[in-house]
Amino acid sequence: QQPVQSPQAVILREGEDAVINCSSSKALYSVHWYRQKHGEAPVFLMILLKGGEQKGHEKISASFNEKKQQSSLYLTASQLSYSGTYFCALRMYSGGGADGLTFGKGTHLIIQP
Amino acid sequence: NAGVTQTPKFRVLKTGQSMTLLCAQDMNHEYMYWYRQDPGMGLRLIHYSVGEGTTAKGEVPDGYNVSRLKKQNFLLGLESAAPSQTSVYFCASTTTSGWYNEQFFGPGTRLTVL
Repeated sequence: QQPVQSPQAVILREGEDAVINCSSSKALYSVHWYRQKHGEAPVFLMILLKGGEQKGHEKISASFNEKKQQSSLYLTASQLSYSGTYFCALRMYSGGGADGLTFGKGTHLIIQP
Repeated sequence: NAGVTQTPKFRVLKTGQSMTLLCAQDMNHEYMYWYRQDPGMGLRLIHYSVGEGTTAKGEVPDGYNVSRLKKQNFLLGLESAAPSQTSVYFCASTTTSGWYNEQFFGPGTRLTVL
C-alpha cells in the first residue's frame, strides 16, 4: 500500500510557495519526508509522529492529519536549492516488529530563477 | 566519520551471474536496510536487519539474499541476476526503530543486468 503523492510535478519560480501532499489508505504511525537530487541519495527532511511530535529541519514545515491519514509538506519562499524529488515515506502498523519505510513515487520540484 | 558507504558504485552483470553488494556504516547503528529504486517507483524495501545476526524480508525480497554477520556491515546478494534486477540499490541505517528516527542513506550502487 504505497502512499499516494500529489502533485506528481511542480514548476515554480524562485520565491514562490509549494505544497506537496501525501495520503495513505491505512492508519499511520509516522510520516517521513526525504528529498533526493538527481544521481544522489535521499536526504532526510522531517519526521512527523502520531500525537503531534515533529523532528526535522527548522526551515521545513509539515502537517500530519491522523484522521484523514494525510501529510503535507510546505515549502515557502522557494530557493533554487529546493529543486529535486520529494518523497514521503510511511511506517504503517504491521502488527509488531521494526521494519522499513514504504515510499511514495515522489514529487518532482523544479525551481526556476 | 564516513557515514554509510556502498561498494561497488557501478556494476554490469550478465544474466545468471552472481554478485554481492556491500554496505558499511560507522555510526554504530542497529538497524540497516536495502532498498531498490526504479524510475517512477520510489524506493522499495528489499530486506532489513534489526541487529547483528538477524534479517527479515521487506516488500520485494525475491531473488535476493542478505547477511548481517557484523553490526557495521550488511550484504546484499544476487545469486542469479536477471534483467529485472537492473536498478539503483540504496543501503540505509538508523539508530533504533526506523519509524521514528531518520534513515541515513548510502550513495547507491547502479547495477545493470544484460
